[in-house]
Amino acid sequence: QAVVTQEPSLTVSPGGTVTLTCASSTGSVTSGHYPHWFQQKPGQAPRTLIYDTSNKHSWTPARFSGFLLGGKAALTLSGAQLEDEAEYYCLLSYSGARLYVFGTGTKVTVL
Amino acid sequence: VQLVESGGGLVQPGGSLRLSCAASGFTFSSSWMHWVRQAPGKGLVWVSRIHSDGSLTTYAHSVKGRFTISRDNAKKTLYLQMNSLRVEDTAVYYCATGGNWNSWGQGTLVTVSS
Repeated sequence: QAVVTQEPSLTVSPGGTVTLTCASSTGSVTSGHYPHWFQQKPGQAPRTLIYDTSNKHSWTPARFSGFLLGGKAALTLSGAQLEDEAEYYCLLSYSGARLYVFGTGTKVTVL
Repeated sequence: VQLVESGGGLVQPGGSLRLSCAASGFTFSSSWMHWVRQAPGKGLVWVSRIHSDGSLTTYAHSVKGRFTISRDNAKKTLYLQMNSLRVEDTAVYYCATGGNWNSWGQGTLVTVSS
């Protein structure tokens, strides 16, 4: 089974920019992995921010953007706010979108 | 859109449990659905997925052969039958809509312990 790896933790200053990445043990991440990004705050259910690499839901703040970068999926937060402090998970699809693997998660601290 | 999980609780190793996820506010019968779990203090783990008409199901390696996902579109309810439960199956179990993963339930806690 594939392993999907993220940075364990990142710190960003309020108003600053940070980029999270999502790598697959099987090789380069492509649009065919349909990368998704989720935000989870303590004690809450996850919330989907980005689907299919770069698409936003209606509730996704404009400061979040998803893309592919150097063989990985990436999520950039531009203009970080205190409320963005959370755990972020990516999700990749495998075997023709029959199997899914979540990333290890990145704890983002806004400080 | 609302998803409400139920059926969690304490069960002994080797036991069984059936989780339910009641859906409302969207066309359930047209939606793929997923189960995801999260052990205490750990990350998210995908468990299973089912096609909108129930014709296709897939499972994570860790639960294949022990868990069965199913649905009743008339009742707008998703199920997860969990058999041969292990201590390592202890987690909060979430249901979520497929495709764009636009909705998640609040989760139900399953504790496997003697």
